[in-house]
Amino acid sequence: QKEVEQDPGPLSVPEGAIVSLNCTYSNSAFQYFMWYRQYSRKGPELLMYTYSSGNKEDGRFTAQVDKSSKYISLFIRDSQPSDSATYLCAIKRAAGNKLTFGGGTRVLVKP
Amino acid sequence: EPEVTQTPSHQVTQMGQEVILRCVPISNHLYFYWYRQILGQKVEFLVSFYNNEISEKSEIFDDQFSVERPDGSNFTLKIRSTKLEDSAMYFCASSPTGSGNTIYFGEGSWLTVV
Repeated sequence: QKEVEQDPGPLSVPEGAIVSLNCTYSNSAFQYFMWYRQYSRKGPELLMYTYSSGNKEDGRFTAQVDKSSKYISLFIRDSQPSDSATYLCAIKRAAGNKLTFGGGTRVLVKP
Repeated sequence: EPEVTQTPSHQVTQMGQEVILRCVPISNHLYFYWYRQILGQKVEFLVSFYNNEISEKSEIFDDQFSVERPDGSNFTLKIRSTKLEDSAMYFCASSPTGSGNTIYFGEGSWLTVV
């Protein structure tokens, strides 16, 4: 079983819609959860991080963690064409520095 | 806004040659990392570096690879005797602490081995 799984997409939505992204992970040792946005041939850009179950909101972004189900989500409200990118979830154990990435979900926001 | 900068943005090298990729982490950060992403694949951890020594490394990071902080600002990844399968985007990253929850990435160095 893979450590982190993400649907590769593409996920196509009309401008203004809510984008819903998710990841599942296999090991309860993972305690920190991050979402990155990556444009083509660019570096991952940190969007959100959280370490507890529940919701965390930052502007148009909401990160949700359910540790009991090993399931994390990212919601993007009022999506814009500039949100078109690949979204990567990344998780980390309590000890150590290594981030384990999902394969990314490609999102297309159509005007 | 502070950022991680990497050079070169793209390098083409012949198989068997040595390559050095350079990074300037964010100035007040203490932890430094290298990741790589082969085209179409996941971002993979290579190594983390703290207090002038490797704190963690992956199975990928074998004797072919080395890292160094030659001065107070630069952080380098050296790849010896490059192979075709080393072709990838290499990302440098840094974080202020070892908790790793705010790791910031550079734009990457695209390495093509021919």
